[in-house]
Amino acid sequence: SQQGEEDPQALSIQEGENATMNCSYKTSINNLQWYRQNSGRGLVHLILIRSNEREKHSGRLRVTLDTSKKSSSLLITASRAADTASYFCATAPSGVTGNQFYFGTGTSLTVIP
Amino acid sequence: DAMVIQNPRYQVTQFGKPVTLSCSQTLNHNVMYWYQQKSSQAPKLLFHYYDKDFNNEADTPDNFQSRRPNTSFCFLDIRSPGLGDAAMYLCATSRDQVPGYEQYFGPGTRLTVT
Repeated sequence: SQQGEEDPQALSIQEGENATMNCSYKTSINNLQWYRQNSGRGLVHLILIRSNEREKHSGRLRVTLDTSKKSSSLLITASRAADTASYFCATAPSGVTGNQFYFGTGTSLTVIP
Repeated sequence: DAMVIQNPRYQVTQFGKPVTLSCSQTLNHNVMYWYQQKSSQAPKLLFHYYDKDFNNEADTPDNFQSRRPNTSFCFLDIRSPGLGDAAMYLCATSRDQVPGYEQYFGPGTRLTVT
């Protein structure tokens, strides 16, 4: 299976705190993307990081990538109640056409107001 | 607004009764994907179309088929649904098959099998 693993499976924090979630994967990748899914809805793209990049920022989001360890982390700073959702990493394996993604197991984030 | 639309949002079917789920897009994207997501699990890629070229994932059961009659529409056919096929089915699009594009997801169709 090309599916990645995420930890923690669930995370509960107070509003204003930072949230960090981690993703590990198995194969070499072209890029890694993070998506958010609100309960029972479709996924929304957050950020993409390519295999030759080590860190990327977008607003309150910071993503790091360590290809030697086959891992990535997503940091959400100054969390808000509206950040409550499930977060998935998605890897695009190297050498695969079709821009397929393989999603990790997800982290369920709860931000308490 | 340009978007990915899935109909119906909720579908109930009987064990063994064929069912078709629909996806349409106004983004004019070349690639369309179908994912299966069971409760509290990751979305699992079933197959995708690049234009009219169909690409099946190796572990997708034969029970699942797909059709893409034109750029805008893609259908997921489940020939003989079992209880284990109850899930959320997500459609997504991508501008091209070259790695590096994000995917745009529809809201999903939740399938119940009775």
